[in-house]
Amino acid sequence: NAGVTQTPKFQVLKTGQSMTLQCAQDMNHEYMSWYRQDPGMGLRLIHYSVGAGITDQGEVPNGYNVSRSTTEDFPLRLLSAAPSQTSVYFCASTSGSANTGELFFGEGSRLTVL
Amino acid sequence: EDQVTQSPEALRLQEGESSSLNCSYTVSGLRGLFWYRQDPGKGPEFLFTLYSAGEEKEKERLKATLTKKESFLHITAPKPEDSATYLCAVQKNTGFQKLVFGTGTRLLVSP
Repeated sequence: NAGVTQTPKFQVLKTGQSMTLQCAQDMNHEYMSWYRQDPGMGLRLIHYSVGAGITDQGEVPNGYNVSRSTTEDFPLRLLSAAPSQTSVYFCASTSGSANTGELFFGEGSRLTVL
Repeated sequence: EDQVTQSPEALRLQEGESSSLNCSYTVSGLRGLFWYRQDPGKGPEFLFTLYSAGEEKEKERLKATLTKKESFLHITAPKPEDSATYLCAVQKNTGFQKLVFGTGTRLLVSP
């Protein structure tokens, strides 16, 4: 059971480039979300999804795009990378029936924007 | 505004030296409070959920407690493998797992 898998683990981009961070889970979880983690700040919610075809914005959505075409996958797209998007990104999932806030996190994707 | 504050920022203990980490919160309509452990280079790992004041949860050397304004994570006789960053998060009564995280306490337990 792989849990939540994120790729790539590391990425360096130039300002203005676009890219997609991949997230896949094999636990049949309804809810998936993306967080970013920056030094001195708590994890902040970027976007989330409550099921296939349904997405919504979190606390810091600007500059990011998401889609949810399947239950398993929840990619995060950076449309035009900026240095302020240098961060560690975490994908998380949880079962909707549990509704406990028990999130299962991936190992993270460390992004540097030059 | 919803806020979660953790203290201390960092804590260094000797093996066997018990202590507590604090998580104070201000949130309207608290649904639950959660503790996570995060090892360097890894994603957070769920530890506990607390729903109401007076509730306690235990796991090995860790015990989490909740009051109306704060939560404590008590670490009894810690071992070096307990070294990690401990994150606290709150969930509002909104129906989805939108967690508001604190900045964490970095715990280092020396042998």
